[in-house]
Amino acid sequence: KQEVTQIPAALSVPEGENLVLNCSFTDSAIYNLQWFRQDPGKGLTSLLLIQSSQREQTSGRLNASLDKSSGRSTLYIAASQPGDSATYLCAVRGSMDSNYQLIWGAGTKLIIKP
Amino acid sequence: GAGVSQSPSNKVTEKGKDVELRCDPISGHTALYWYRQSLGQGLEFLIYFQGNSAPDKSGLPSDRFSAERTGGSVSTLTIQRTQQEDSAVYLCASSLGGSVPEAFFGQGTRLTVV
Repeated sequence: KQEVTQIPAALSVPEGENLVLNCSFTDSAIYNLQWFRQDPGKGLTSLLLIQSSQREQTSGRLNASLDKSSGRSTLYIAASQPGDSATYLCAVRGSMDSNYQLIWGAGTKLIIKP
Repeated sequence: GAGVSQSPSNKVTEKGKDVELRCDPISGHTALYWYRQSLGQGLEFLIYFQGNSAPDKSGLPSDRFSAERTGGSVSTLTIQRTQQEDSAVYLCASSLGGSVPEAFFGQGTRLTVV
């Protein structure tokens, strides 16, 4: 059974720092991995999606890497800003036909201090 | 509509009462998903609709939970005889279905059973 773990559960850093959020999964047979952002009282916003054949994806100040064999993904945030404060969730999908089968981590709550 | 809309955004109910949660997906999205997010936990898959049919109801935690979708659009998640452990944020997402992986999420309904 696939399990997704995110460490740390919470992180607080000063504005301007570069930081890394970690996501690990127990079954390397994934179709893709997706990073989401969740703001309080709001839904989830998709940030980056990495297909199993890819090693990384970049969007602006965000870079997500995937090491499928070791069951790990990282989300790198450069030059952090207070607006980056949110909970970051990673989710893996195990089968192309199972569009709904996203297995989720519990998230990392990120606070960027001005 | 422009995005996935859920109502109500917050619901407080007494233990034992029935509640209905509504999800209005993005127009044209054939796939619709319900997830539950308990405090400090990852998202838990509840049910998936493709059109009006639900090929997978395995995530529903008990027979007190049911969901329907009409006209390939609006979906209603009903919880009967609510219990305190039902308190959570209920998230709805929709996607174009098929092999398109990206799902778009609503803002969620925060259910509190007192």
